[in-house]
Amino acid sequence: RKEVEQDPGPFNVPEGATVAFNCTYSNSASQSFFWYRQDCRKEPKLLMSVYSSGNEDGRFTAQLNRASQYISLLIRDSKLSDSATYLCVVFASGGSYIPTFGRGTSLIVHP
Amino acid sequence: DVKVTQSSRYLVKRTGEKVFLECVQDMDHENMFWYRQDPGLGLRLIYFSYDVKMKEKGDIPEGYSVSREKKERFSLILESASTNQTSMYLCASARAGFYEQYFGPGTRLTVT
Repeated sequence: RKEVEQDPGPFNVPEGATVAFNCTYSNSASQSFFWYRQDCRKEPKLLMSVYSSGNEDGRFTAQLNRASQYISLLIRDSKLSDSATYLCVVFASGGSYIPTFGRGTSLIVHP
Repeated sequence: DVKVTQSSRYLVKRTGEKVFLECVQDMDHENMFWYRQDPGLGLRLIYFSYDVKMKEKGDIPEGYSVSREKKERFSLILESASTNQTSMYLCASARAGFYEQYFGPGTRLTVT
């Protein structure tokens, strides 16, 4: 079983919609979590970190549920420019800076 | 801005050829990584390096080797290219002690 799992989608939503993705991880000792965004034919770029208490960055909210071992990304008021693949990234404990990437969730925002 | 560059955007090689993929970063980052990305499989770590001349195997090192002679440069070597190594190859760098990785634009390698 892959350590980090995401629903590949695609999630097809109209502009203005709210959409949420989950990412589950199997290593209960995982310490650090992030969301990256990858546009078509482009490299991944860091979108936001995921903090235990949850965090917001504009229209984006990231949350961590340690008990159920998943992180989530909520996008409010979707824009056409939000269309991309969203990758969750998990780092194990012990000061490891080697990430495990999920396979990504594709989001398509249509007019 | 951090810049990570890769030597080629597109590369076509024949089976059995030796292939060099070069990656250069300009932010004095200690850590560098090579990934391949395939549809449905996501990003998979091939090798990483946390210092000059240091290297560690990732999840899928078979058929690959790496070289890091200078801090800013990390090379991926396919000793004898095979068709199953056709993929998008992404290089990344990160500052020691930090999680954020900065990726290069990728090299799409086709082995025929």
